[in-house]
Amino acid sequence: DTAVSQTPKYLVTQMGNDKSIKCEQNLGHDTMYWYKQDSKKFLKIMFSYNNKELIINETVPNRFSPKSPDKAHLNLHINSLELGDSAVYFCASRQSRGTPGGYTFGSGTRLTVV
Amino acid sequence: DQQVKQNSPSLSVQEGRISILNCDYTNSMFDYFLWYKKYPAEGPTFLISISSIKDKNEDGRFTVFLNKSAKHLSLHIVPSQPGDSAVYFCAANGMEYGNKLVFGAGTILRVKS
Repeated sequence: DTAVSQTPKYLVTQMGNDKSIKCEQNLGHDTMYWYKQDSKKFLKIMFSYNNKELIINETVPNRFSPKSPDKAHLNLHINSLELGDSAVYFCASRQSRGTPGGYTFGSGTRLTVV
Repeated sequence: DQQVKQNSPSLSVQEGRISILNCDYTNSMFDYFLWYKKYPAEGPTFLISISSIKDKNEDGRFTVFLNKSAKHLSLHIVPSQPGDSAVYFCAANGMEYGNKLVFGAGTILRVKS
């Protein structure tokens, strides 16, 4: 009954590879997010989709491409992985007309690029 | 440029005593503030929030205080319990800021029994 689920939980890959992280929410929320927690532990927003439409795109290298096939899914594809991409990536969702808070996070995907 | 700052990386408190976690922000467009709790290998979970029109919000053992003029908020946990040991993130957002959650770096709270 996981509300926001991410797969895989751990991902170790070599530099230059392409990888994807998947996220699914069963809360009926209309907005989904990707956050990155870097080595300094800051959680920073990367992207946000509302009803499959991109609404937030922070300064992220274009090697990162989010894809939302429907409002319950937001996947993150990363091309040509670099060492600096190593981080924990969190997916989150919320209902846009709900409380200003109301974010539910997944348990994270720890990406290690070697 | 850190718009939400948690200047104490860690805090250690005895069980039963009060834990006070602090947070400062710089962006006056923020109008909603949240605290999240995070255990290792898990995602942040919502704890408590406060709107900028209030100065206090209480939920059981947790109380958040907001001082808008000082751009400062704090989370009080009383009494502290060993299960409260976790990383606590302060976060802020606002409609005029695009409803993006902006997080602080977190404070590790250790409650000793």
